[in-house]
Order: sequence, then structure tokens, then C-alpha cells
Amino acid sequence: GAVVSQHPSRVICKSGTSVKIECRSLDFQATTMFWYRQFPKKSLMLMATSNEGSKATYEQGVEKDKFLINHASLTLSTLTVTSAHPEDSSFYICSALRTGRNTEAFFGQGTRLTVV
Amino acid sequence: QKEVEQDPGPLSVPEGAIVSLNCTYSNSAFQYFMWYRQYSRKGPELLMYTYSSGNKEDGRFTAQVDKSSKYISLFIRDSQPSDSATYLCAMTSQGAQKLVFGQGTRLTINP
Repeated sequence: GAVVSQHPSRVICKSGTSVKIECRSLDFQATTMFWYRQFPKKSLMLMATSNEGSKATYEQGVEKDKFLINHASLTLSTLTVTSAHPEDSSFYICSALRTGRNTEAFFGQGTRLTVV
Repeated sequence: QKEVEQDPGPLSVPEGAIVSLNCTYSNSAFQYFMWYRQYSRKGPELLMYTYSSGNKEDGRFTAQVDKSSKYISLFIRDSQPSDSATYLCAMTSQGAQKLVFGQGTRLTINP
């Protein structure tokens, strides 16, 4: 299957600082990438849809100024958690959409963010 | 009513058993159906992808789609402890970008 690389896999940061998470599609170009948040033993919660060359589309209730998304190229999208608080601690996962004859979504390995 | 319903489990079965995981959906526009496996603290991994009613087999895994009943299933034969994970169904419609996920079913295969 296609490969999506997410980095870092784990990060611990202090309250008030910002953290950037990268999502790369390694063997295909992705016009669209998605950012999810996942709480323990819960399903994926879509935060935003990232479109290359345009502004991200945020889901209701997700603060766009807090979760900054940049999709500067067809293989890279970044999520920056700004002014992190302990309640932002979570598992963040990206996915990249591979389109063609079939449309398939491939996921990164996830990033465990802990804000202390 | 949620667009996609999936029993969260947990489901615990002995090694070698046949496992049946199911999802129902309400949106008749859904045409593409996926099953993902997610190990603890990892991203979901695409297992099966189908877009028509009927069965699709890949090794010990069989994905079944019944569009008339809006029901999809994933069967695991000869289940192994390494199959222990959370299984998520996902689906989308023609031209749509977003996937709609089920809640995920936690599966444990006991040796």
C-alpha cells in the first residue's frame, strides 16, 4: 500500500509553546490530506481537511487559529498546535487521499502529543 | 442517527475462531467501503477496499457489502493473536473526499 509518513511520533511540550506535526505522502501526490484527533478508546475525530494551495476547511468546533494547517506542496501538510494546553494532549493522525480509478485514504503513524 | 454505526465491542474470541465485524449505514450515496485495522498507538492501516455489493477475499480476510441492506461486514478466518486490534469501517460517496468512520470495534484474540 501507499506510504504516509508522520513526524514526530511522540512529542512532549510545555504549556504555552507551539508544536508542529508533519505529514508526508512518500509515493504519491496528495491534493487532499486530513487531520484527525483520537482520544483513548475512541474513533477518529476529523479536525480539518487540508487542500494543497488553499486554506484548510475546519470542522465545527475546531479552532482554526489554534490548529494551524499548511499544505504547501502535494506531498506535505503540517499541523501546528499553537499555545498548547494540557487539554490538547491527544493522539493526532493525518491521512492522505490518493485519487485515481479508486479513491483511497492512507494514514500516518500518528503523533502522541503530551502537553505538560 | 449516526451515518455509520459500528458496535464498539469489546469483542473477545479464542484463537482460530471466525470473527465477524459489522457496520450499518444510512446514506445510500455511499459507494466505497473500507476496513482499517488500528493497533494501539498507531495509525489505521487499510485492510480491505470494496466498491460493489458482494464479497472480496484477501487471505484470511473477507469483506462483504450488501448495499440493499446498507450493511457491510469483515470476516476474519483462523483468527490469530496478532489480529488483536481495533477495526474501523469507513465509507464515502462518489466524488466525496471525506471518509465517514464507524466507532471502531476492539477485538482481542485469545491464545
